[in-house]
Amino acid sequence: EAQVTQNPRYLITVTGKKLTVTCSQNMNHEYMSWYRQDPGLGLRQIYYSMNVEVTDKGDVPEGYKVSRKEKRNFPLILESPSPNQTSLYFCASSGGLPPATQYFGPGTRLLVL
Amino acid sequence: AQKVTQAQTEISVVEKEDVTLDCVYETRDTTYYLFWYKQPPSGELVFLIRRNSFDEQNEISGRYSWNFQKSTSSFNFTITASQVVDSAVYFCALSEARGGSNYKLTFGKGTLLTVNP
Repeated sequence: EAQVTQNPRYLITVTGKKLTVTCSQNMNHEYMSWYRQDPGLGLRQIYYSMNVEVTDKGDVPEGYKVSRKEKRNFPLILESPSPNQTSLYFCASSGGLPPATQYFGPGTRLLVL
Repeated sequence: AQKVTQAQTEISVVEKEDVTLDCVYETRDTTYYLFWYKQPPSGELVFLIRRNSFDEQNEISGRYSWNFQKSTSSFNFTITASQVVDSAVYFCALSEARGGSNYKLTFGKGTLLTVNP
C-alpha cells in the first residue's frame, strides 16, 4: 500500500530534550515536506526537500532541522524543543513535476512541557 | 504572496442537506494549482482534488462537486445530500507553479463541517 508513515504518532517530552520525528514514504517520491498545524494558524510549512541531500526552509523553520540522506526518509529534528513547538506535525510527499499533489502522513502530536 | 481565505470557520447542517464550502485565493501567478483536503476527527489529511488554473471545468465526484471561477478567484466545494461521515475540517490550498513556491502548499484556515443526524 502506498503510504507516508510517521513515528511516533504521539510524544510528550520536556523542554530541551532532543527528539526526532521520522517520516518515510514508499512511493519513490522526490519531494518531501514537513508542516505544523496549530489552532487558528492552520498548516504552515517548516522545511521541504526536492531530492536527496537537497533541502530548503519553509515559512517557519526556526528551531527545526531536517536531513535527506535517503530518498524514502525525511526526519524532523528538534534539537532543543520548547513549549511553543507543541503542535501537530505532518510529513508529506509528492512525485512528478511540482506542484504535484502532496500526500500526507497520519500526523505526530507533540507536547513539550 | 499567495493567500487562501476560507471565510466560514464552522458550518453545521442536518443530514441530507446540501452544503457549500467557500474558498477564495490570491496569487500573482497565472499558473497555479488549487487543492482541497479533508481532515476527519481522526486527524489525518486526505487529498480530495487538484485543479490547475487553466482548467475551469467544474468537477463532480459522487456527492462532491467543485466550482472553479477564475473571475472571482474562487474554488468552492459542494457536498450534496450530506452525511454524518462528511463531518470534518476541510482545507483549501494553493500552490504556485514557479520558483520555490511550487514546493509549498499555502492552506486556508479550514472550515469545520458538522453534519448532524
